[in-house]
Amino acid sequence: DVQMTQSPSNLAASPGESVSINCKASKSISKYLAWYQQKPGKPNKLLIYSGSTLQSGTPSRFSGSGSGTDFTLTIRNLEPEDFGLYYCQQHNENPPTFGAGTKLELK
Amino acid sequence: EVQLVESGGGLVQPGRSLKLSCAASGFTFSNYGMAWVRQTPTKGLEWVASISTGGGNTYYRDSVKGRFTISRDNAKNTQYLQMDSLRSEDTATYYCARHGVTTVRGVYYFDYWGQGVMVTVSS
Repeated sequence: DVQMTQSPSNLAASPGESVSINCKASKSISKYLAWYQQKPGKPNKLLIYSGSTLQSGTPSRFSGSGSGTDFTLTIRNLEPEDFGLYYCQQHNENPPTFGAGTKLELK
Repeated sequence: EVQLVESGGGLVQPGRSLKLSCAASGFTFSNYGMAWVRQTPTKGLEWVASISTGGGNTYYRDSVKGRFTISRDNAKNTQYLQMDSLRSEDTATYYCARHGVTTVRGVYYFDYWGQGVMVTVSS
């Protein structure tokens, strides 16, 4: 299985700041990486797929980049609703596998 | 609005069975592949099983093959996960998820999720 390693595990920031979350695959996954947001009491939300394609409804302050083994989720001008958990998932090779998550907290 | 609502979770003894259901609404259910994904504090998110639009093709992670069965009833807009011979390591929150609209070699991301249902396997 493809192992997905996210960093950092925890991240503290303030509204208006920009942050980046990294995801590294144990082998090349081409461009096929998805990013999700998880918040208590709400369904997980798909933000980005295929590395950089924004899911309908995802604000433009979110962006994804990378290919091969190294990927980044960038959130610019953080809004209060952006704080929560973020997960990456490779969708290049079965079985689909997820990173361990990054907790984005309010500083 | 797409909605996925899971039910059927609970406390069950090791070796026993449990059946989860996921009621879908807000989209044409028969047009989408579906999946179950589980989450634990220690292992994180794990894909469990997927099923094709018509139900003819099913896929499982190795650790549940032969014990879990995914199925769907397109007339009822519902998918199921029959879990037999449950083990303590199956304890998790189970999410119903819809396959994304694009795929590479049959591997999917998940564009909508339910809120999850807890399954606890313990004596």
